[in-house]
Amino acid sequence: EIVLTQSPGTLSLSPGERATLSCRASQSISSSYLAWYQQKPGQAPRLLIYGASIRATGIPDRFSGSGSGTDFTLTISRLDPEDFAVYYCQQYGTSPFTFGPGTKVDIK
Amino acid sequence: QVQLQESGPGLVKPSETLSLTCTVSGGSFSSDYWSWIRQSPGKGLEWIGYIYYSGSTNYIPSLKSRVTMSVDTSKKQFSLKLSSVTAADTAVYYCARGPGIAYSWGQGTLVTVSS
Repeated sequence: EIVLTQSPGTLSLSPGERATLSCRASQSISSSYLAWYQQKPGQAPRLLIYGASIRATGIPDRFSGSGSGTDFTLTISRLDPEDFAVYYCQQYGTSPFTFGPGTKVDIK
Repeated sequence: QVQLQESGPGLVKPSETLSLTCTVSGGSFSSDYWSWIRQSPGKGLEWIGYIYYSGSTNYIPSLKSRVTMSVDTSKKQFSLKLSSVTAADTAVYYCARGPGIAYSWGQGTLVTVSS
């Protein structure tokens, strides 16, 4: 199965700053089938990005995704107070579909 | 806007079968894929498998011998059964729309395996 590694484990930033989150795969992800989710405490994850770079419906344009092959990035251009949460990447190109361990973005 | 809601027992005894149902509202059910995903502190998010509205399935190999998913299109429901549970199966279980990618999620239900 494809193993996803996310870095850093925790990112401490202030509102208005730029956040850059990394997701690396143990093997190439077919057709850029890479998604990003946001999860807040006590809530289900929410789909942000799919196809590596396509924003899901209703997602603000401060969220952007990039990358291909084995290296992917989620960028939040200017952190809003509501963006402090845990972010997971997931590959859905090769079964079994797997998630990364997550990056926590917290307030500095 | 599709909404999903999990239902089922919150406590299951070891060696017994965990059974959950997901009810879909507010959107189409047919021609779509429906998944189960779980989240535990020790293992993070784990995709369990999906079922197509027609009944075809795809399960994660590590659970394949214990998992059964089914669908009832007339009720817009799909279900998960996980047999021979142990404490390691304690988790929040989510139902979701999508084959692997989860476009929409239920709120999740905590299932604890304990005697």
